[in-house]
Amino acid sequence: AQSVTQPDIHITVSEGASLELRCNYSYGATPYLFWYVQSPGQGLQLLLKYFSGDTLVQGIKGFEAEFKRSQSSFNLRKPSVHWSDAAEYFCAVGEDSWGKLQFGAGTQVVVTP
Amino acid sequence: GAVVSQHPSWVICKSGTSVKIECRSLDFQATTMFWYRQFPKQSLMLMATSNEGSKATYEQGVEKDKFLINHASLTLSTLTVTSAHPEDSSFYICTPPRDRAEGTEAFFGQGTRLTVV
Repeated sequence: AQSVTQPDIHITVSEGASLELRCNYSYGATPYLFWYVQSPGQGLQLLLKYFSGDTLVQGIKGFEAEFKRSQSSFNLRKPSVHWSDAAEYFCAVGEDSWGKLQFGAGTQVVVTP
Repeated sequence: GAVVSQHPSWVICKSGTSVKIECRSLDFQATTMFWYRQFPKQSLMLMATSNEGSKATYEQGVEKDKFLINHASLTLSTLTVTSAHPEDSSFYICTPPRDRAEGTEAFFGQGTRLTVV
């Protein structure tokens, strides 16, 4: 069975500093990997996805993620965070190109001045 | 890309009553719809998969008699929370299967926040 682990429940980062959110997955085949962001009281917004090709993927809002098969990881990064990046971030894995997703527990990002 | 619309966006109901949540696909036909639930400060968990013309498939631990899912047409899937209780207060979100022709994003509805008092 597939699973997703986000080891960090909560991260505090200063505005302008870099951010890295960790995501590890467990799946037998090549997974379809996603990062979503959820602002308070809002729905989910897709930041980026990976399912094949270049292992470094670029997303919206200046985010990028790198797929590392050897480490079963898909960490999300942003070089310089903005106060508007404060939100909950979810990593998700799908087992095929169209189906249901398994979500990680989420990481709450707090941005300080 | 695929777009879904959920209604209502939020609802408050009394304990013991039933609430229906609609999920409409706006620009495509969906034979399948996934329903997720998110409790406060928790992650999303798949509840069930609705299928047009057949019974929904429920995930383990989800009460099918309490969470009635109906896929009435190719553009409408509904989730009815029957005899709602405060512990059913949650954020409910629908999403269609990712369109193979257009890509692999999962397009989520804006969600329905249910509060049972």
